[in-house]
Amino acid sequence: GENVEQHPSTLSVQEGDSAVIKCTYSDSASNYFPWYKQELGKRPQLIIDIRSNVGEKKDQRIAVTLNKTAKHFSLHITETQPEDSAVYFCAARRYNFNKFYFGSGTKLNVKP
Amino acid sequence: NAGVTQTPKFRVLKTGQSMTLLCAQDMNHEYMYWYRQDPGMGLRLIHYSVGEGTTAKGEVPDGYNVSRLKKQNFLLGLESAAPSQTSVYFCASSYPSAQETQYFGPGTRLLVL
Repeated sequence: GENVEQHPSTLSVQEGDSAVIKCTYSDSASNYFPWYKQELGKRPQLIIDIRSNVGEKKDQRIAVTLNKTAKHFSLHITETQPEDSAVYFCAARRYNFNKFYFGSGTKLNVKP
Repeated sequence: NAGVTQTPKFRVLKTGQSMTLLCAQDMNHEYMYWYRQDPGMGLRLIHYSVGEGTTAKGEVPDGYNVSRLKKQNFLLGLESAAPSQTSVYFCASSYPSAQETQYFGPGTRLLVL
């Protein structure tokens, strides 16, 4: 089955700096890659996603890049703010398959 | 639209007791999932369903049973609770399309003493 690895497990940045979280996947048939943000005590919520026919997608301060050849995708957050502090999960979903495979999560701490 | 809802929000059980967690969604999603989340371990899939009347095992199914009698509801049962089942349980739902996300419920915090 699919295996998704996520790094780093914790990340501390100064407010205003950029943050990058990386995930690798093993199944070349995976073609959908969402990113979720989970604030303390809350549910995971989708913040951005990318499909395999696209190399990069941006939404204001958040961007995701996908390298299908190397089988890795990354979340980029620019101009970080304290409210960006949360746990971020990447996931992969295979074409014509029912399950999502999650990374182990990255705890991002943005210091004011 | 309420989205995905879960009942109850919090529960304390004694070892050996049974309970059922209810998940409901009003988005007409075919697929529904149950995950557990333990500190530092991310989300682990317990069981899932691809439609009314169908269920399948996920990564950590032991000690749990599920039922999907109606499309909008997905029930997770613990027949004989154990302390190792202390966790936060999230339900999620999605469309069948491979390139659509899943939507999570608010979670149920379960403590087994």
